[in-house]
Amino acid sequence: QQQVKQSPQSLIVQKGGIPIINCAYENTAFDYFPWYQQFPGKGPALLIAIRPDVSEKKEGRFTISFNKSAKQFSLHIMDSQPGDSATYFCAASGRGRDDKIIFGKGTRLHILP
Amino acid sequence: DAGVTQSPTHLIKTRGQQVTLRCSPKSGHDTVSWYQQALGQGPQFIFQYYEEEERQRGNFPDRFSGHQFPNYSSELNVNALLLGDSALYLCASRIGWQGEQYFGPGTRLTVT
Repeated sequence: QQQVKQSPQSLIVQKGGIPIINCAYENTAFDYFPWYQQFPGKGPALLIAIRPDVSEKKEGRFTISFNKSAKQFSLHIMDSQPGDSATYFCAASGRGRDDKIIFGKGTRLHILP
Repeated sequence: DAGVTQSPTHLIKTRGQQVTLRCSPKSGHDTVSWYQQALGQGPQFIFQYYEEEERQRGNFPDRFSGHQFPNYSSELNVNALLLGDSALYLCASRIGWQGEQYFGPGTRLTVT
């Protein structure tokens, strides 16, 4: 059972464009929704995260939009740059003793120069 | 300040063998989690260690076992290796029960 569904699988955007990656979850016990960026040969690095009591969060060029009723959240990257080319994972976790991170399958993003 | 470190970087094993992977958490971190990342997939949670005990476990067989030492470093052991165990094994550390998890660069395991 895939608890976090992510789309698209891959995405190509021109420099300066706004790639959007979408995720949906099933478990209403999730209360922490991070996004990770992974470059080849590296481990995932936390990019930005949100809790369900907030509908939007911005950090620099990265924005998360969160829709609790639809159980969906998305990542927008403003003014995308070739250096943003990486694999992006959405994820979700619960609280306390069930705080393991459940990852989506990832989106391979390529920003054209 | 060193981040999470893992060793070895790469490893090639034969089916049926056993392997041990090692992780040193970020300084000050006491909770260590292990994840398996198959090619083209997201990481999958294996288990988590805190105070030298396994605190949570994902959907992995008993062939996967672990250990945490008093200095918070950790080992992942996999017995009776299968071809399907080929993956990137990631270690992540954090402080206690909350806070951001920091991932190491991973160990690439290839089973032939």
